Amino acid sequence: NAGVTQTPKFRILKIGQSMTLQCAQDMNHNYMYWYRQDPGMGLKLIYYSVGAGITDKGEVPNGYNVSRSTTEDFPLRLELAAPSQTSVYFCASSYAGGEKLFFGSGTQLSVL
Amino acid sequence: EDQVTQSPEALRLQEGESSSLNCSYTVSGLRGLFWYRQDPGKGPEFLFTLYSAGEEKEKERLKATLTKKESFLHITAPKPEDSATYLCAVQRPRVNYGGSQGNLIFGKGTKLSVKP
Repeated sequence: NAGVTQTPKFRILKIGQSMTLQCAQDMNHNYMYWYRQDPGMGLKLIYYSVGAGITDKGEVPNGYNVSRSTTEDFPLRLELAAPSQTSVYFCASSYAGGEKLFFGSGTQLSVL
Repeated sequence: EDQVTQSPEALRLQEGESSSLNCSYTVSGLRGLFWYRQDPGKGPEFLFTLYSAGEEKEKERLKATLTKKESFLHITAPKPEDSATYLCAVQRPRVNYGGSQGNLIFGKGTKLSVKP
């Protein structure tokens, strides 16, 4: 099992550009999450999903969108990149909400 | 407001020098407390879950304990390979969240450095 796979690992965007961060898991987990981690700050929840077709906002959803068409995939979309979105993004999954999370290796995004 | 506070922010130890990391929380109806280890450039990796006051879990040189207000991660005779950032997260009851912080609240972490 590969676990949780995130791509790309690094990306530099210009202000106003768009991109999609990919996340896939092969553990048949129902719950998937997107977090951002800023230096010196705790992980902040952006969006989460409790199953295919079901998503909901987390603490910091503005500027992002998600979709969950399959159990395996949970992409995160940035429509108009802003410098405030410079961060490290982590995708995670769990079999049931609140159980231990399995994290991907992260995407380091810089918006210049 | 539900909060998780970890201390110290950074801790430097000599190899073999035992110490403890603290995670204090203010959460109504705690469902569980999680400890994760995060190495530079990687995602957090699960270590322990604690569910009730008095519970203890051990793994190699690490031991996690839980009271009604805080959790400690005790590190006994650490080695350089224990160097990492240790994250604490608390789980709230589902009724307490609805799209805000979410089910889990993470602390900012403690960066541990163990020198040989």
